[in-house]
Amino acid sequence: GAVVSQHPSWVICKSGTSVKIECRSLDFQATTMFWYRQFPKQSLMLMATSNEGSKATYEQGVEKDKFLINHASLTLSTLTVTSAHPEDSSFYICSAEGPRGDEQFFGPGTRLTVL
Amino acid sequence: GESVGLHLPTLSVQEGDNSIINCAYSNSASDYFIWYKQESGKGPQFIIDIRSNMDKRQGQRVTVLLNKTVKHLSLQIAATQPGDSAVYFCAENGGATNKLIFGTGTLLAVQP
Repeated sequence: GAVVSQHPSWVICKSGTSVKIECRSLDFQATTMFWYRQFPKQSLMLMATSNEGSKATYEQGVEKDKFLINHASLTLSTLTVTSAHPEDSSFYICSAEGPRGDEQFFGPGTRLTVL
Repeated sequence: GESVGLHLPTLSVQEGDNSIINCAYSNSASDYFIWYKQESGKGPQFIIDIRSNMDKRQGQRVTVLLNKTVKHLSLQIAATQPGDSAVYFCAENGGATNKLIFGTGTLLAVQP
């Protein structure tokens, strides 16, 4: 149980285009999901907390108009990178909060490369 | 983008030896700690957790030790195997928001 999927697993796009990444909890419902970004040889940095039915909460320094988050159901959150640029190339990882409330189950990540 | 010159601390051990990975956490109010294993190109994988009312917890081949006095966490892996090669992160959960704060990570390299 407690499986989280992400789609796509990797994506290559041209500079200026937008890319949507999906995060799904497959066998449980998640009111809260989290989006992280990880650059090579670095740690995971929390970008935002996604709450079902309400606006996401962004961490300091993360542009909410650039990284659009939609948590429309209890099993799906999406992250859209708008007008992507090469510096947005990174590994994006989502997690879903489990029933206990303090545990997070992580997705496999999405590798974004912006040319 | 990639930061030039940045590197992860690396622990190199021989297969069969025990490994100890250390982590210093930042928030004295944190009450829940987790160790994750991350293989290249994959998401973090839960290994073991511990709450602040404990100082030791054991799993299968792994033990986590918590020293709240000095805000230190360690992960011990017994009889390290090549499949244990990965980056290991500690994470702390320090408040009502349930946000996780990740440590910098340690690359464990197991030599056959």
